[in-house]
Amino acid sequence: QSALTQPPSVSGSPGQSVTISCTGTSSDVGSYNRVSWYQQPPGTAPKLMIYEVSNRPSGVPDRFSGSKSGNTASLTISGLQAEDEADYYCSSYTSSSTYWVFGGGTKLTVL
Amino acid sequence: EVQLVQSGAEVKKPGESLRISCKGSGYRFTSYWISWVRQMPGKDLEWMGRIDPSDSYTNYSPSFQGHVTMSADKSISTAYLQWSSLKASDTAMYYCARQGSSSSFDYWGQGTLVTVSS
Repeated sequence: QSALTQPPSVSGSPGQSVTISCTGTSSDVGSYNRVSWYQQPPGTAPKLMIYEVSNRPSGVPDRFSGSKSGNTASLTISGLQAEDEADYYCSSYTSSSTYWVFGGGTKLTVL
Repeated sequence: EVQLVQSGAEVKKPGESLRISCKGSGYRFTSYWISWVRQMPGKDLEWMGRIDPSDSYTNYSPSFQGHVTMSADKSISTAYLQWSSLKASDTAMYYCARQGSSSSFDYWGQGTLVTVSS
């Protein structure tokens, strides 16, 4: 069982918006702004999409946005495109001896 | 351009030893931690631990402590992950990732598939 809880799957039609949640605890998401999101298309390495809750690295479209409330972080993808279809993982720093934890991943299907 | 290039796929038998590598380029290798992340077939990502290439200081996840060893050779900008005695349950894809100033994993290697089977 992953330390951070994500929905197994979400879906949306092209042009729509979807939001993926990532629920942790007061030991990780709730206490630190070191939450990041990764996109992993099938058969490829993960790619950083959001860091420090809501910041986008250079080159990531502004259709991707992040936020946090309490122990839950969220990734929103607006204006869905076929190329967005992938697995998405959240990650957070944790005060436990594990240091960094990941969510179980969410499979995004673009209908 | 920042790149992390990992060594190729490996097929090993239980009990054998193995070392895989991750070579960094396009940045100052000693300025960023390198983390290792495991992804078992069809499963999620697991943080294994990290190494500071400047002094080889390491942090391990308790789940991996004692089963793997991380090292680095800063003279050739390469980090290593090694096992002294592989198990079938070590079959997985292993990624190295650079840890940026924000603590996120900002660049990833292409992955090394390790298969352990008798």
